[in-house]
Amino acid sequence: SQQGEEDPQALSIQEGENATMNCSYKTSINNLQWYRQNSGRGLVHLILIRSNEREKHSGRLRVTLDTSKKSSSLLITASRAADTASYFCATRTVGFKTIFGAGTRLFVKA
Amino acid sequence: GAVVSQHPSRVICKSGTSVKIECRSLDFQATTMFWYRQFPKQSLMLMATSNEGSKATYEQGVEKDKFLINHASLTLSTLTVTSAHPEDSSFYICSATETSGAFHGETQYFGPGTRLLVL
Repeated sequence: SQQGEEDPQALSIQEGENATMNCSYKTSINNLQWYRQNSGRGLVHLILIRSNEREKHSGRLRVTLDTSKKSSSLLITASRAADTASYFCATRTVGFKTIFGAGTRLFVKA
Repeated sequence: GAVVSQHPSRVICKSGTSVKIECRSLDFQATTMFWYRQFPKQSLMLMATSNEGSKATYEQGVEKDKFLINHASLTLSTLTVTSAHPEDSSFYICSATETSGAFHGETQYFGPGTRLLVL
């Protein structure tokens, strides 16, 4: 990808389990955002974390950011079948571009 | 919240024709808009940054003569795929950032995308 990698590339879990996705990036950033995309559809903005923040919560979502390691993680707790989608991290660089990671395809089995 | 629209949502065209895609910020002014393309089961690749009233800045490997970008106003940017070929078939997504506020430019708002199929 243009900015970094996400792992795993694909994740399959049972409903009720937690899902953790990781993102690494290459350059200095202003913020990092996580998006969800259902197959063939547009992006849904989930959460934004600024470069001076370390952790952020929104409902069942928990995002961490480690700027020293240039990495972030997204945790979805108590997953549901409706969480099945592709998840992308996107970094807002100092030059104000937003660059996307490769994405993680999450499949939650009912 | 801020809304970005794209038109058309889906287009099918013959090889060799040109296709124009519009991106509009509906309730805010956007000095900067971005154009991405996404191939099936892949991530979004930034194609170019479009600045109102000036030339677009293209990412490495993106042909500027192939993908013409015009950002004529603070609410409209257009992407024209010239002489389209089947390999140009893709999902094209635009995004825009607000120009005002304490954290102006912090959040990008994405359009719903345009699916292009070139036969």
